[in-house]
Amino acid sequence: AQSVSQHNHHVILSEAASLELGCNYSYGGTVNLFWYVQYPGQHLQLLLKYFSGDPLVKGIKGFEAEFIKSKFSFNLRKPSVQWSDTAEYFCAVKGSNYQLIWGAGTKLIIKP
Amino acid sequence: GAGVSQSPSNKVTEKGKDVELRCDPISGHTALYWYRQSLGQGLEFLIYFQGNSAPDKSGLPSDRFSAERTGGSVSTLTIQRTQQEDSAVYLCASSFKNTGELFFGEGSRLTVL
Repeated sequence: AQSVSQHNHHVILSEAASLELGCNYSYGGTVNLFWYVQYPGQHLQLLLKYFSGDPLVKGIKGFEAEFIKSKFSFNLRKPSVQWSDTAEYFCAVKGSNYQLIWGAGTKLIIKP
Repeated sequence: GAGVSQSPSNKVTEKGKDVELRCDPISGHTALYWYRQSLGQGLEFLIYFQGNSAPDKSGLPSDRFSAERTGGSVSTLTIQRTQQEDSAVYLCASSFKNTGELFFGEGSRLTVL
């Protein structure tokens, strides 16, 4: 069955620390990959996406993610986090149909 | 408006009552999704509409749940005879075609007492 696994449900970091959130998926075909973010009190919004081409994609607010096809991974990174990055982050995968398969989410808390 | 609009933003109801949740997608977006987000859980797919095609209702948890989309635009999710386990945030998202790039509304928080 298709699935998306986010390794950490809760992550707590201090400001200026580096961030890496893991995402692994199970799907045999071509995929579109996404990271969505939900800031406190706000709606879910797209952080970055991968459709094809350069496997290192850059999104808003200094985030980037790398698609490693051989590892079925799409990890999210940021070299130096800020307090305003406190949010819940969701990885999602879309295969050949319209369905997105969602990870369970990672709650990130940045201590000022 | 420019974004996906959902109403009501909050709904408190008594067990056994019916509720209707409304979603107004971004103009021109042919795809519309309903999800449910329970406390501490990820997104649970409920139903998908694409243009004039028959909707995919495979995610609806019971026959108390139904949804329609009129004129390819506004959608209404109806929950009949609400139960306490229906308490959740109901999210609507729209998309242009099937890229997977979804635009979400603010959600409707349903509390069943």
